[in-house]
Amino acid sequence: AQKITQTQPGMFVQEKEAVTLDCTYDTSDQSYGLFWYKQPSSGEMIFLIYQGSYDEQNATEGRYSLNFQKARKSANLVISASQLGDSAMYFCAILNNAGNMLTFGGGTRLMVKP
Amino acid sequence: DAGITQSPRHKVTETGTPVTLRCHQTENHRYMYWYRQDPGHGLRLIHYSYGVKDTDKGEVSDGYSVSRSKTEDFLLTLESATSSQTSVYFCAIRPGTGTYNEKLFFGSGTQLSVL
Repeated sequence: AQKITQTQPGMFVQEKEAVTLDCTYDTSDQSYGLFWYKQPSSGEMIFLIYQGSYDEQNATEGRYSLNFQKARKSANLVISASQLGDSAMYFCAILNNAGNMLTFGGGTRLMVKP
Repeated sequence: DAGITQSPRHKVTETGTPVTLRCHQTENHRYMYWYRQDPGHGLRLIHYSYGVKDTDKGEVSDGYSVSRSKTEDFLLTLESATSSQTSVYFCAIRPGTGTYNEKLFFGSGTQLSVL
């Protein structure tokens, strides 16, 4: 079984500042994938970033980067230069080795203050 | 858009009645998933399919059944709806071509209320 834990139910960040959303995971697989999704108030699920367990470099996608610390089983999302449109729920997820099951954490609600 | 259509978008039903939600894709993707989203629980996997007539249970499968008779359609059935099944239901698809970084594409969700 695999599990994702997001310990921050809600966070505030000032516009233009950077913010880190925490994600820790538990899996017995040697190979796995880690994803972050954004869910705005409109409800759709938007893919943000992916990190493979054997990728040596941290993934980056524009203002999003993933701080991957394999030994600590953490995959934190860093958003640089926060914008008002970043206010949303953010979900961390892990894909198992077989590649057939994606398990989500409980999410973090980010609120960006002007 | 990833070519996923969920129907209906909203449904209100009574306890004890059967309900079927439909997910239709135009992408010919191998994997299809049903998740439910509840406050405080994030998204939890109900069932998934890895091909026609190939399905498996997820984390919260009790009270739900699924069928996939065609690549493009994945049906979720609540045989006898209960109030605890009031939730937002998301369908998702994934190519399944073997590339490990394939992401899930999500439908728009179905809001189900069981009274």
